Amino acid sequence: DGGITQSPKYLFRKEGQNVTLSCEQNLNHDAMYWYRQDPGQGLRLIYYSQIVNDFQKGDIAEGYSVSREKKESFPLTVTSAQKNPTAFYLCASSNARSSYNSPLHFGNGTRLTVT
Amino acid sequence: GQNIDQPTEMTATEGAIVQINCTYQTSGFNGLFWYQQHAGEAPTFLSYNVLDGLEEKGRFSSFLSRSKGYSYLLLKELQMKDSASYLCAVRDHGSGTYKYIFGTGTRLKVLA
Repeated sequence: DGGITQSPKYLFRKEGQNVTLSCEQNLNHDAMYWYRQDPGQGLRLIYYSQIVNDFQKGDIAEGYSVSREKKESFPLTVTSAQKNPTAFYLCASSNARSSYNSPLHFGNGTRLTVT
Repeated sequence: GQNIDQPTEMTATEGAIVQINCTYQTSGFNGLFWYQQHAGEAPTFLSYNVLDGLEEKGRFSSFLSRSKGYSYLLLKELQMKDSASYLCAVRDHGSGTYKYIFGTGTRLKVLA
């Protein structure tokens, strides 16, 4: 079955360390997205990519970096410059360019805790 | 800019009907989506509207008025398992790319 895989489900890091969250999809979707969710809040867009080797900043890109070297993969690095990295991170993909009613499909998320 | 507003919390009784409203402002509107999210889980897709009117899917219906920047999600015959957050999201195509912008979500509690 096609889907989006995020790993790991839970991640613990010490303050000052960079950490990379994995996101892989086998839906053959062009576009991929990273969102952050804090308790009681909605999803906020960090970075997104419409095609390989291209990506755009979302609303809260500071302290994060991404790469899109393969269509299937869109890893997110949370750097030590991110002031409040503890959050629930969701990766998503869609095929809006070829299918106008394509919704976002989400992975199961990674819960990052930085102490 | 982009802005999406939803009520923070709603409470309803099992078997009842509840309407969750969403208002939005965006320059490149390209569709409105509703998602359900249970605590600690990923959102799951419920419905999509791009033209004005009502879309019905079983117990769930969603309405859109583009001129008013307004949508609602209607849940009928509420069940306890419908207790969740409901997220309104707008797809924006303003800059040549597709961005999905989310509201803060409405937490629905269904009481027995």
